[in-house]
Amino acid sequence: EIVLTQSPGTLSLSPGERATLSCRASQTITSNYLAWYQQKPGQAPRLLIHSASRRATGIPDNFSGSGSGTDFTLTINRLEPEDFAVYYCQHYGSSPLTFGGGTKVEIK
Amino acid sequence: QVQMVQSEGEVKRPGASVKVSCKASGYTFSTYGISWVRQAPGQGLEWVGWVSTSNGNTNYAQLVQGRVTMTTDTSTRTAYMELRSLRSDDTGVYYCVRDGGWFDPWGQGTLVTVSS
Repeated sequence: EIVLTQSPGTLSLSPGERATLSCRASQTITSNYLAWYQQKPGQAPRLLIHSASRRATGIPDNFSGSGSGTDFTLTINRLEPEDFAVYYCQHYGSSPLTFGGGTKVEIK
Repeated sequence: QVQMVQSEGEVKRPGASVKVSCKASGYTFSTYGISWVRQAPGQGLEWVGWVSTSNGNTNYAQLVQGRVTMTTDTSTRTAYMELRSLRSDDTGVYYCVRDGGWFDPWGQGTLVTVSS
């Protein structure tokens, strides 16, 4: 089973700042089969990024994903008020599929 | 647009069973699998399992192995997840997702509460 470790657990930033979220895998993720999701309180998660760096339909270019192998990053260029949420990474290259523990981006 | 609409929340006693439904619309049902993901209160996301909408093949996570059955009905474009021998730690929100590798979109979630 691939274990995904997200850091930091909580990121305290101000609107307009850049957020950099990390996701580290316990073993190589094949073909960059890694996705990022955003979840706001009381809502279902929403796909942001798949294939490590491809934005999902309708996701603004303020969000970008990068990385390969075992180290992946989600960057939010300029935080908007609606971007404060919890973010999860997930691999989908092999079974069992697993999620990281999440990074909460909160308003400083 | 693509939508996954789930059944309403349920309250069950320990040892009982629950069956959650998920109706898909807006795409060709048989071209994507359906996965189920759960989230315990205040916790992260856990993949529960996957079902093929074309041939009914399944793949379940170890945490529910032997207690879960996932099925689909192509005539009604509906997926089902039945969880048996419920325990208090099965309490949480269960999401169905269209599974094309990545998960998109997600259903609105069904809260399953297991309590005596």
